Amino acid sequence: DIQMTQSPASLSASLGETVTIECRASEDIYNGLAWYQQKPGKSPQLLIYNANSLHTGVPSRFSGSGSGTQYSLKINSLQSEDVASYFCQQYYNYPLTFGSGTKLEIK
Amino acid sequence: QVQLKETGPDLVQLTQTLSITCTVSGFSLTTYNVHWVRQPPGKGLEWMGAMWNGGGTDYNSAFKSRLSISRDTSKSQVFLKMNSLQTDDTAKYFCARHHYYDGYSYFDYWGQGVMVTVSS
Repeated sequence: DIQMTQSPASLSASLGETVTIECRASEDIYNGLAWYQQKPGKSPQLLIYNANSLHTGVPSRFSGSGSGTQYSLKINSLQSEDVASYFCQQYYNYPLTFGSGTKLEIK
Repeated sequence: QVQLKETGPDLVQLTQTLSITCTVSGFSLTTYNVHWVRQPPGKGLEWMGAMWNGGGTDYNSAFKSRLSISRDTSKSQVFLKMNSLQTDDTAKYFCARHHYYDGYSYFDYWGQGVMVTVSS
């Protein structure tokens, strides 16, 4: 199975700041990576697929990058509605596997 | 519009069998795949298995032979059944629509999930 190591586990930032969340795969996943946002008590929502493709309706302050085994999600101009947990997920190979999540809070 | 809704028990006894139904609307099960993902309280997401649009299934080997996924296309329903439940199966169980094209694969719609507690 492909292991996804996500960091940091938690993050506190001020409104308007830029934050970055990292995800490392245990082997090359050839951009087969998605990012999800999960607000408290809600189901996950797709943000990014193919490592850097923004899903329909997702604000442009979210962006994804990376290649090989290293990927990142960047959130520009942090807004209060961005308070959530964020998960990466590889789809290069089955079983599909997720990162352990990053909990983002506003400072 | 696209919707998925899980229905199932809140509480299951230790070693018993869990059955959850995912009822979908706004799309056809013969066009899209539906997967199951679970999330223990305060923890991350775990992929359980898939019902492919062609009727085949795939399972996470972590669940060995405990897990079974089936469907009734006439009712737009996908079923999860898992036996020999243990306390660490306590989790919120989600069904999600899986979108696959041109090598891109992602979950674009999720149900609200059903929280299942395994009790001794």
